[in-house]
Amino acid sequence: AQSVTQLDSHVSVSEGTPVLLRCNYSSSYSPSLFWYVQHPNKGLQLLLKYTSAATLVKGINGFEAEFKKSETSFHLTKPSAHMSDAAEYFCVVSDPGTYKYIFGTGTRLKVLA
Amino acid sequence: DTAVSQTPKYLVTQMGNDKSIKCEQNLGHDTMYWYKQDSKKFLKIMFSYNNKELIINETVPNRFSPKSPDKAHLNLHINSLELGDSAVYFCASSLRDGYEQYFGPGTRLTVT
Repeated sequence: AQSVTQLDSHVSVSEGTPVLLRCNYSSSYSPSLFWYVQHPNKGLQLLLKYTSAATLVKGINGFEAEFKKSETSFHLTKPSAHMSDAAEYFCVVSDPGTYKYIFGTGTRLKVLA
Repeated sequence: DTAVSQTPKYLVTQMGNDKSIKCEQNLGHDTMYWYKQDSKKFLKIMFSYNNKELIINETVPNRFSPKSPDKAHLNLHINSLELGDSAVYFCASSLRDGYEQYFGPGTRLTVT
């Protein structure tokens, strides 16, 4: 069965410092993995996706994530945080053929001036 | 040009009423979904449809009935609304299973 764990419910960083949002997954197959961002009172926007191509995935707004099968991790990083990055971030796993997308519980990113 | 649209954006109603939320996607996707986001921001899939056929029904009460008249539309009808139905409901679509999903702006349902 597929599952996903976001290890931090809240992360605070200073503007201009690196961001690390952690995600571990469980899957019986070769999963698809995604990161989404949700700004307050908005819908969800896709940041990036892993679908068994390159293990280092680049997304929008300077975000990237690395798929590590041995560690079952898909952590999201950004070299330098911007105030506009403050939002809720969701890691998502989907096993092929299931039509199911399992969302993590979310990490709220706060960016301090 | 909105990819996935939902109406209405806000819905305030009383317990026991029946209401509908409409969703449309203009992306030409085969698969559409309904999600419920609770007050703690947890997102849970409710239904998955592929080419107008129901694929997933995630132990959702019978009071919730999705309908897909065509591939571009997936509506959600809720009977006998309860306080616990208050949430934000998101519609999404994907080209096919396992592909990235595109989300609508959400419908905030408040049951009083």
